[in-house]
Amino acid sequence: GQNIDQPTEMTATEGAIVQINCTYQTSGFNGLFWYQQHAGEAPTFLSYNVLDGLEEKGRFSSFLSRSKGYSYLLLKELQMKDSASYLCAVTDSNYQLIWGAGTKLIIKP
Amino acid sequence: IAGITQAPTSQILAAGRRMTLRCTQDMRHNAMYWYRQDLGLGLRLIHYSNTAGTTGKGEVPDGYSVSRANTDDFPLTLASAVPSQTSVYFCASSGTGTEEVNEQFFGPGTRLTVL
Repeated sequence: GQNIDQPTEMTATEGAIVQINCTYQTSGFNGLFWYQQHAGEAPTFLSYNVLDGLEEKGRFSSFLSRSKGYSYLLLKELQMKDSASYLCAVTDSNYQLIWGAGTKLIIKP
Repeated sequence: IAGITQAPTSQILAAGRRMTLRCTQDMRHNAMYWYRQDLGLGLRLIHYSNTAGTTGKGEVPDGYSVSRANTDDFPLTLASAVPSQTSVYFCASSGTGTEEVNEQFFGPGTRLTVL
């Protein structure tokens, strides 16, 4: 079966760095997405990785290792507005997105 | 219209009633999707459409139907609602596949409660 695992919840301090991990087992791989979802709102696109390595975009970076079926989202200089759920999703061999349940990130002052 | 719109924003529905959730996009995206999101389960695909005139079943299609008469609209119908269909429903769309990153864009969601 297809499976994506992420921690259910994480807590971090304002100004700090946090790493959210995602492991996946899917039938084929055509890219991995990270989305951010604030409570009561729709998911919004953060990053996309299809090749191994690190993609940096401002305070957010995303890493992919296809051989290990592993990705992480790194958030630096955390701000209170970063409190949200972070969703990992993998595009399988049929180009369908398989979604993880999401990681709720709580930022404390 | 800018992006994707959904209607209604929220709805309380009696079990057994028929309900259509509306979704319209103005980005000329070929592909459209319907998801439901339940606490602890993440997004689950109900139905999808890769292009106007075609539809396909996702992970949880039972009790739902869709149509794609044109590029812009992708309504989701619950023929006879049941309490287990209480959820938040998101419509999404994505491009033609020729873009480097074929991300999905989401509507604001419809919160549906079936009593």
